[in-house]
Amino acid sequence: DSGVTQTPKHLITATGQRVTLRCSPRSGDLSVYWYQQSLDQGLQFLIQYYNGEERAKGNILERFSAQQFPDLHSELNLSSLELGDSALYFCASSVAGSSGNTIYFGEGSWLTVV
Amino acid sequence: QKEVEQDPGPLSVPEGAIVSLNCTYSNSAFQYFMWYRQYSRKGPELLMYTYSSGNKEDGRFTAQVDKSSKYISLFIRDSQPSDSATYLCAMSFSGTYKYIFGTGTRLKVLA
Repeated sequence: DSGVTQTPKHLITATGQRVTLRCSPRSGDLSVYWYQQSLDQGLQFLIQYYNGEERAKGNILERFSAQQFPDLHSELNLSSLELGDSALYFCASSVAGSSGNTIYFGEGSWLTVV
Repeated sequence: QKEVEQDPGPLSVPEGAIVSLNCTYSNSAFQYFMWYRQYSRKGPELLMYTYSSGNKEDGRFTAQVDKSSKYISLFIRDSQPSDSATYLCAMSFSGTYKYIFGTGTRLKVLA
């Protein structure tokens, strides 16, 4: 158990809908990362927050948004969902926001868009 | 050209074999190198973390970094069926907050 908690574990929703994925980082970690992993695809970096502020952005679509709250949990909002958004969405956390720190992953939220 | 290249496999080996997994990269600025193990539909689990060049050993696992060749390796000794998983390399460098992942190599250890 990495200590990173993600909910929900699975969800199925229809195209055009909106969902929110939630992440609680490891105790003491200030930085949260979101990744997308599609079938046969590697981990695609979406966005990173550090202590409530956006730190880095990757290949995140405009239909997606995220935030990190004062208690350090984070939410990833996915809207106007398309079939191609079906994927595993991972949250990861690290102590700080610098690249020398290892990141620890949650178990993921499996999103199926039908 | 991708920043990090990793053979997707699958790589099938008999139990007890020595496994060699590799990644090549193009950005010479990478300083931090990690290996993760991912079981099917589970979160990646950190196996090894190394800084700059050299070797690091942890039990049956050895990580090697050759910065001159832009090449990193993970060796698994006495491989077990429980080692069957996808192995992801990842790397980053100072001044950025992004970790670049390889696409993963699928390993099957046959009993």
